[in-house]
Amino acid sequence: DVKVTQSSRYLVKRTGEKVFLECVQDMDHENMFWYRQDPGLGLRLIYFSYDVKMKEKGDIPEGYSVSREKKERFSLILESASTNQTSMYLCASSSIQRPLGGYTFGSGTRLTVV
Amino acid sequence: QKEVEQNSGPLSVPEGAIASLNCTYSDRGSQSFFWYRQYSGKSPELIMFIYSNGDKEDGRFTAQLNKASQYVSLLIRDSQPSDSATYLCARDDKIIFGKGTRLHILP
Repeated sequence: DVKVTQSSRYLVKRTGEKVFLECVQDMDHENMFWYRQDPGLGLRLIYFSYDVKMKEKGDIPEGYSVSREKKERFSLILESASTNQTSMYLCASSSIQRPLGGYTFGSGTRLTVV
Repeated sequence: QKEVEQNSGPLSVPEGAIASLNCTYSDRGSQSFFWYRQYSGKSPELIMFIYSNGDKEDGRFTAQLNKASQYVSLLIRDSQPSDSATYLCARDDKIIFGKGTRLHILP
């Protein structure tokens, strides 16, 4: 079964800490994405990557950075965590093959910043 | 104007009836769309995608795309309590999601 795996299901961090969220996919997908999901705001795209070492800003990149050193791994970095970054973080991947098969999501990381 | 819009609901439908979920979009260049189901506390899972005008059926689910009117819909026949979830509509080419419609199937 194909998978997108996020390293942590729940995470609690202190304000100002540097936080790493890891995502690994085993489908050889070219595209990888990081979203956050908050009640009433839906899914908001933070960053995405179409290829190794490539990254593009999404709708809300402020306070975040990403790293994609290998095709299967896409990391989200919170440089200095703040309480307004408390959220559910979802990683997804997709293929560039057409017709596209949509996005496969990881199980999510619920991050709480205290 | 939001690029993909959905009514947030909740939409309440009796068990066994047809649930109809709708999504409108603003960019006429949009080519294909996806429907995702998300249970509370879980991540979204793909139900269907559609890229041609008309209907696409898969079991109890039918997706409809009308490019002239710029809407996409999802019909769920013989609704079951297990269909209670939030349904997200998404554009393919620009990775745009709607905020989702909460569906509640009444036993």
